[in-house]
Amino acid sequence: DIQMTQSPSSLSASVGNTVTITCRASQSISRYLNWYQQKPGKDPKLLIYAASSLQRGVPSRFRGSGSGTDFTLTISSLQPEDFATYYCQQSSSPPHTFGGGTKVEIK
Amino acid sequence: EVQLVESGGGLVQPGGSLRLSCAASGFRFSNYWMSWVRQAPGKGLEWVAYINQDGSEKYYVGSVKGRFTISRDNAKNALFLQMNSLRAEDTAVYYCARYGSYLDAIDFWGQGTLVTVSS
Repeated sequence: DIQMTQSPSSLSASVGNTVTITCRASQSISRYLNWYQQKPGKDPKLLIYAASSLQRGVPSRFRGSGSGTDFTLTISSLQPEDFATYYCQQSSSPPHTFGGGTKVEIK
Repeated sequence: EVQLVESGGGLVQPGGSLRLSCAASGFRFSNYWMSWVRQAPGKGLEWVAYINQDGSEKYYVGSVKGRFTISRDNAKNALFLQMNSLRAEDTAVYYCARYGSYLDAIDFWGQGTLVTVSS
C-alpha cells in the first residue's frame, strides 16, 4: 500500500497569512493527489484534485502543486473560514490512502 | 441536488455484524464509482473500500479484507457495506462517498453514520 505523510500535523497562523502544507507519497503517484478540507463535525470537502486542479466553487487562494512523490497545498491570504483540518489522498492505486491530516489553527 | 444518506450504524458487540446502507439521489447513481471512508473518534480519515459502476470491481483496505463486503443496487440507488467480525478498532463514523466522473477524487460525501463496537 502507498503511505501518505503530511507535515506539519498542526500549525498556527493569522488571518491574511500564507500557509503551506506538504504531502509525501511512499512511491510515485504521478499527479493522482487530492486535497480535502474538513471542519469539526462536518464531512470533508474536495478542494484540489489531480494535484493542481481547483474543484468548482473553491476559492482561488487554494493552490496545489507537485508530482511524483512530493506535493504541496498553499493557502494564500488565510481567511477565518479556512481554519480547519486538511487531508491529502492518493488515488493512484487502491487502497486510496489519506495522509494523517494537518490542523490549521488561529494564532 | 446530490444527496447521500447513510443509515444502519449503532452499537454492536465485538465479533458482531452490521450492515450499513447509503441512499443516493440527485444524480445517475449507476454512472459512478462509490466508496466508504471512515473516521475514528478524534482521528483522521481512512479509506475503506470502493466499487465500480456495475459492481464487478471492488477494492478494500487491508484491515477489513475478508470481513467487510461492499455492494450496490443500482435499481434502488443504494450502496451497502456488510461488516462482519467487528472489532473495537472498527469504531468510527462511516461516510458514504461518490467519486466524481473523470476526477479520481471524492466529490460528494454523506453526513456519516456512527458505528460503535463495544461490549
